[in-house]
Amino acid sequence: DILVTQSPSSLSASVGDTVTITCRSTQRINSYLNWYQHNPGRAPKLLIYLASHLASGVPSRFSGSGSETDFTLTISSLQPEDFATYYCQQSYSGRTFGQGTTVEIK
Amino acid sequence: QMQLEQSGPEVKKPGTSVKVSCKASGFTLISSSIQWVRQPRGQRLEWIGWSILASGETKFAQNFQERVTFSRDMSTNTVSMELSSLGSGDTALYYCAAETTPHAANIWGQGTMVTVAS
Repeated sequence: DILVTQSPSSLSASVGDTVTITCRSTQRINSYLNWYQHNPGRAPKLLIYLASHLASGVPSRFSGSGSETDFTLTISSLQPEDFATYYCQQSYSGRTFGQGTTVEIK
Repeated sequence: QMQLEQSGPEVKKPGTSVKVSCKASGFTLISSSIQWVRQPRGQRLEWIGWSILASGETKFAQNFQERVTFSRDMSTNTVSMELSSLGSGDTALYYCAAETTPHAANIWGQGTMVTVAS
């Protein structure tokens, strides 16, 4: 199975900050990388697909970049509703989630 | 509105099996792929497997491939996942998710809580 590793595992930030989360794959996966937002007790929400495409209805402060093995999720001007756990997922061969990054209020 | 409605919570004894169903509305499942994902309390999301409904192709995570089965009933626009040989480590919230966006799960069910206890 292809493994994906996220960093950091958690971070503290304030409303209005810009945060960056990285995801690294153990194999080259072209642009087959997705980002999800997850709040406790709720279903995960797709934010970014194919590395850089914004999912329908997702605010433009979310952006993704990268290819092959190194990917980034950036949240510009953090809003109160953005404090959540974020997961990357490779979709090149089957699917695999990263271990998650929790964005907490500073 | 495209939605997935999952079956209700389950309590199972160790060694038995559980079947979770997932019914689509607002779209036709046959034109999509389905992921099954779970989250034990306080832990990360864990991918169980994936099925391309039009072709029947499936792929399972290594940890599950010996004891998970996917099925589909296109007459009711429903898919199901059955997990056998349950242990306490299988206690988790189970999700189905449809991929109508290329290679990504954009429609999620509400989750089904499965508790394994003697």
